[in-house]
Amino acid sequence: AQSVTQLGSHVSVSEGALVLLRCNYSSSVPPYLFWYVQYPNQGLQLLLKYTTGATLVKGINGFEAEFKKSETSFHLTKPSAHMSDAAEYFCAVSRIQGAQKLVFGQGTRLTINP
Amino acid sequence: DTGVSQNPRHKITKRGQNVTFRCDPISEHNRLYWYRQTLGQGPEFLTYFQNEAQLEKSRLLSDRFSAERPKGSFSTLEIQRTEQGDSAMYLCASSLDPLGGETQYFGPGTRLLVL
Repeated sequence: AQSVTQLGSHVSVSEGALVLLRCNYSSSVPPYLFWYVQYPNQGLQLLLKYTTGATLVKGINGFEAEFKKSETSFHLTKPSAHMSDAAEYFCAVSRIQGAQKLVFGQGTRLTINP
Repeated sequence: DTGVSQNPRHKITKRGQNVTFRCDPISEHNRLYWYRQTLGQGPEFLTYFQNEAQLEKSRLLSDRFSAERPKGSFSTLEIQRTEQGDSAMYLCASSLDPLGGETQYFGPGTRLLVL
């Protein structure tokens, strides 16, 4: 079975500050890991994903995440927050074979203060 | 590539009525997923199609729910005898069977409100 825990349902940072959204996963098999962003009344958009290879993954809009197997973590970071980053962020895990259904965390709402 | 589309975007219905949602995936995507998202939660997997075959269903998908994907193109999700607990956002995603690490592209969702 797979599960995802996102620490902090709400995160608030100042514009220009570091963004850190935490994600820990549990999986009985090696997983694929994803971060999605959701803007109000919209579907989900992929920010980045880890499948194999380099553990530091760069995504769109200046976001990156590092897969740490020993800590079962996949935290999302961005060096400098922008007002347009305000949204809901979801970490997800999938198995690597067969139907790669996504198992999501409960989400973290990111607020950017001017 | 016009993206994944879903119709309708919003649906209000009375308890006990039947509703049907449609999802049009990105053309040539052979995998299609349905998820349900309630307020303040992440999406939860409902069912998965590979081409026209429904290969996996979640235990969340009660007997009142049925999904189809005729000819492996668009998909429909029907809820019979709706209940207030069915109120949620229903999301569709499609992907192309990858060599490794598929990317699921999500539609905008259908928001259902059962009164």
